[in-house]
Amino acid sequence: DAGITQSPRHKVTETGTPVTLRCHQTENHRYMYWYRQDPGHGLRLIHYSYGVKDTDKGEVSDGYSVSRSKTEDFLLTLESATSSQTSVYFCAIRLDRGTGELFFGEGSRLTVL
Amino acid sequence: GQQLNQSPQSMFIQEGEDVSMNCTSSSIFNTWLWYKQDPGEGPVLLIALYKAGELTSNGRLTAQFGITRKDSFLNISASIPSDVGIYFCAGQRYGGSQGNLIFGKGTKLSVKP
Repeated sequence: DAGITQSPRHKVTETGTPVTLRCHQTENHRYMYWYRQDPGHGLRLIHYSYGVKDTDKGEVSDGYSVSRSKTEDFLLTLESATSSQTSVYFCAIRLDRGTGELFFGEGSRLTVL
Repeated sequence: GQQLNQSPQSMFIQEGEDVSMNCTSSSIFNTWLWYKQDPGEGPVLLIALYKAGELTSNGRLTAQFGITRKDSFLNISASIPSDVGIYFCAGQRYGGSQGNLIFGKGTKLSVKP
C-alpha cells in the first residue's frame, strides 16, 4: 500500500463543467503522476509533479491542468469537461529512493455526459 | 508518441496451463516493469527489471529483460483462477524523464469457458 487516496472515486458531470480530481498521499513522496486509462490506449501520462509547485506536461495534457501546493496533494483539473475526457484517472507516486517503479491509486472514474 | 507493442491482446487460460506474453519496442529501455490490474482497481506492480538479460521471478511469475533492451516477456506457470486480469508491461525509455513510464495496451487473461 503506497498510501494513495483518490477522490472522488466516481463522478458524473455534464459537458462544460469544471471538474477537479484529488490525489492524496501520506508518505511525502516527491514525484506524483496523473494517468488516464482508456480501452485500446492503455495508460497515458497527463501531467506529473516533481515537487511542490513543480509540474510538467505528459503525453495527453491538452484540456487538463494540475496544481501541487502541498507535498501530499496533487490536483487534476478539467476546466471545461468534454465527453472525450470520460475515462478512468489514476494517480501514481514514485518512491524517492526508487528506480522508476510507479505505485498507483485505485482510480477515479469520470463520466462526462 | 512512443509505443510499446504488447501481445497477445487477450488469451484464455485453463487452470494449470502456462502463460506467456511479451512487449517489444523500437527504442531501448533501461527499466521494464510488469503490472497486473483487477477490475475496478489500480495496476499493481508484479516484477521490475533493470538490466539487460536479467531474469527475475516472483512466485509463479517469471520475467526477463531482453538482451537487446527492446523487449521483455512475462511467464506465468501453472495458472490459477485468480491470475485472471489485465497484465501491462511498462518501460522507462533510455534518456527519458525519470519515472515517466510508457505502458503497453495490456494482455487480458480470461478463464477458458
